[in-house]
Amino acid sequence: GAGVSQSPSNKVTEKGKDVELRCDPISGHTALYWYRQSLGQGLEFLIYFQGNSAPDKSGLPSDRFSAERTGGSVSTLTIQRTQQEDSAVYLCASSLADRGETQYFGPGTRLLVL
Amino acid sequence: AQTVTQSQPEMSVQEAETVTLSCTYDTSESDYYLFWYKQPPSRQMILVIRQEAYKQQNATENRFSVNFQKAAKSFSLKISDSQLGDAAMYFCAYRSPDPDSWGKLQFGAGTQVVVTP
Repeated sequence: GAGVSQSPSNKVTEKGKDVELRCDPISGHTALYWYRQSLGQGLEFLIYFQGNSAPDKSGLPSDRFSAERTGGSVSTLTIQRTQQEDSAVYLCASSLADRGETQYFGPGTRLLVL
Repeated sequence: AQTVTQSQPEMSVQEAETVTLSCTYDTSESDYYLFWYKQPPSRQMILVIRQEAYKQQNATENRFSVNFQKAAKSFSLKISDSQLGDAAMYFCAYRSPDPDSWGKLQFGAGTQVVVTP
């Protein structure tokens, strides 16, 4: 595809359940990023993958959050034992490399935890 | 740590008119990157314009231009000849040259642009 894709577009889950959010970056982009957008906190960085390097997990809010990137392409963000405060839009972005390269965003996944 | 401030929660502009969105940031770094992103109701964050701090010339993209004042740490966005399709939330973002922070875009709170016919 031409752009970053994310699935599902919307997800409703019950408190305590686990959820997986998927991101397909632009082909050839080596860097991949996850952000969270919520009403109270604005846009927050979560995690960053660059090539085969160890990911920068400094933005993950708790150990219930984890992310993987398989084969240097697709990434999955997993939230275990979801809480109502996890309700937000989760945005994925990718770029050609890092440093000053522009990040291109997907349409996001809106997560609602009941 | 860097912070990005957008002091205007909402700006209203008539079609064909010009609107300027303000953005200030706090940093001790000298070489960094600044971006304006647009987020319409579809949620898709779309790059509007980017500026490298080492470049003195202000970036322009068609009807969008910036006024980059490095000493004042100011990065405003001007939208000329506003169109209905420009209605969206606009975010200013900062990217550090520090390798430990490469992955992180730091965003302002956003400015909602309303375009009236």
